[in-house]
Amino acid sequence: RKEVEQDPGPFNVPEGATVAFNCTYSNSASQSFFWYRQDCRKEPKLLMSVYSSGNEDGRFTAQLNRASQYISLLIRDSKLSDSATYLCVVKNPGGYQKVTFGIGTKLQVIP
Amino acid sequence: EAGVTQFPSHSVIEKGQTVTLRCDPISGHDNLYWYRRVMGKEIKFLLHFVKESKQDESGMPNNRFLAERTGGTYSTLKVQPAELEDSGVYFCASSLGQGGSGYTFGSGTRLTVV
Repeated sequence: RKEVEQDPGPFNVPEGATVAFNCTYSNSASQSFFWYRQDCRKEPKLLMSVYSSGNEDGRFTAQLNRASQYISLLIRDSKLSDSATYLCVVKNPGGYQKVTFGIGTKLQVIP
Repeated sequence: EAGVTQFPSHSVIEKGQTVTLRCDPISGHDNLYWYRRVMGKEIKFLLHFVKESKQDESGMPNNRFLAERTGGTYSTLKVQPAELEDSGVYFCASSLGQGGSGYTFGSGTRLTVV
């Protein structure tokens, strides 16, 4: 089983739609969680951290479910510019600072 | 503030040759990371520097890969001799603290070994 699992998609959604991605992680002791966005042939960029209580940033909402070991990203009112690959990133416990990436979920927002 | 800079952006080399990738982290960031994405796979951790010291190199594939960060500023990643399976995008990232707020990535070096 992979440490971080994501549905690679693609998710094709019309403009204005609401779309949600899930990501599951295998290590119950994982500490920190992030969503990164990666545009085609570009570097990953931090979209948002995921906090235990859930957090929102404009049209984006991230949630963490420790009991079921998954995090989610909800995008409301999708824009064409939201088209990208969304990477789930998990930091495991221990003294080292490396993180583990999911394969990414590709989102295509269509007019 | 300048971001993380990587050079070159692209490199095409023949199997058996040597390539050196360079990363300049954000000024003042003690933590520097190398990651790699092979086509169709996840981004994978290679190693982590804290200043000039290798904190964790558990992700380095084999001894053909050598990373250095002399002086604790920029870092180089040398692949010698390169093999076909080394092709991929090599990302460098840096963070000020322990990465609790995420990393800043460079734009990557796309390495193609032919």
